[in-house]
Amino acid sequence: NAGVTQTPKFRILKIGQSMTLQCAQDMNHNYMYWYRQDPGMGLKLIYYSVGAGITDKGEVPNGYNVSRSTTEDFPLRLELAAPSQTSVYFCASSYSLLGGTGELFFGEGSRLTVL
Amino acid sequence: AQKITQTQPGMFVQEKEAVTLDCTYDTSDPSYGLFWYKQPSSGEMIFLIYQGSYDQQNATEGRYSLNFQKARKSANLVISASQLGDSAMYFCAMREGSGGSNYKLTFGKGTLLTVNP
Repeated sequence: NAGVTQTPKFRILKIGQSMTLQCAQDMNHNYMYWYRQDPGMGLKLIYYSVGAGITDKGEVPNGYNVSRSTTEDFPLRLELAAPSQTSVYFCASSYSLLGGTGELFFGEGSRLTVL
Repeated sequence: AQKITQTQPGMFVQEKEAVTLDCTYDTSDPSYGLFWYKQPSSGEMIFLIYQGSYDQQNATEGRYSLNFQKARKSANLVISASQLGDSAMYFCAMREGSGGSNYKLTFGKGTLLTVNP
């Protein structure tokens, strides 16, 4: 199993450009998440999904969009990139809490720089 | 108010010694879960240990243990016999609620641990 796979790992964008960060998991997890990590600030939740077709905003959703058409995939779309979106982005997934801790399984992260 | 507070931005420990990383949390939900993750310099997030609010015993996983003091709302991570490979950023996180819509984790700002030889 590959776990959670994110692409690309690195990307440089110009201000105003758009892009999509891809995330796929092969663990059949219902729940998926996008976090961003800024230096000294921990991880902040951008968007999450509880299943195909269902998404909801997290703590810092402005400037981003998501979709969840399948259980496996949860892409994050950045529209009109701004320098404030320079960050490391993590996709994560988790299984149902029943019978488990609900720990998050993380991808390796995507480092995005907006210049 | 912050839900997860890690008051130690950085900590130093000598190899083979034990170290405690502090974490306090804030919730009014009687059911919650507490997590610790390790992030080495390579950047990946590694799950270390979990403590449920109703668990009677402190969680342990190898050299990691969680000192859970419910009344004080603290969930400190204890690493015994530190190794050079333990040098990393450590994050405390909380999930409020036991199910339904409550599965999101809220993270603290992290503590950077450096193990000296």
